Amino acid sequence: DAGVIQSPRHEVTEMGQEVTLRCKPISGHDYLFWYRQTMMRGLELLIYFNNNVPIDDSGMPEDRFSAKMPNASFSTLKIQPSEPRDSAVYFCASSSRGAQYFGPGTRLLVL
Amino acid sequence: DQQVKQNSPSLSVQEGRISILNCDYTNSMFDYFLWYKKYPAEGPTFLISISSIKDKNEDGRFTVFLNKSAKHLSLHIVPSQPGDSAVYFCAASVRNAGNMLTFGGGTRLMVKP
Repeated sequence: DAGVIQSPRHEVTEMGQEVTLRCKPISGHDYLFWYRQTMMRGLELLIYFNNNVPIDDSGMPEDRFSAKMPNASFSTLKIQPSEPRDSAVYFCASSSRGAQYFGPGTRLLVL
Repeated sequence: DQQVKQNSPSLSVQEGRISILNCDYTNSMFDYFLWYKKYPAEGPTFLISISSIKDKNEDGRFTVFLNKSAKHLSLHIVPSQPGDSAVYFCAASVRNAGNMLTFGGGTRLMVKP
């Protein structure tokens, strides 16, 4: 299996621009998670889906962040408008039961 | 409120010796615990897990111990190898509550040749 796939791997953008991060989970997994990692806050759960339905989005920082999962093989995390404090590494993970399997992450830099 | 804590930000060990990474938790509802390893510029990689019905789980050089009364778990790596140098995260979940993981802050392990 190819594992969790994320794109892009790196994104540099200017403040105010829209950013879209993409994730393809492992086939057969029914849970999908979006995390953000920063030096200050470590690994934070932003939102997770079960069977394509958002279950808990309490970790989403504010209304500028949104996530969708239109089907079992694709999810997006969108930031609009982006701000410098959004600079971080964003990970997607998927699971069925038990362990979550992480993608390689998207390193986002907002100037 | 940190429900999962790794109090040692870093650990240095000589190659061939044992590495012991520690993790404490506060939520008594947690019933499933995991360890992940993370290299720079990569996502966390699942290493080993343990259910609360057990107190030990072993997989090759990696053993996880769980002490429920102390709300403490540890990861033992023996013998340690330079390739084990990475950041290690412990994580915990309540299995019937949505498969969410709560992560500790991580411990950076350095194994010196």
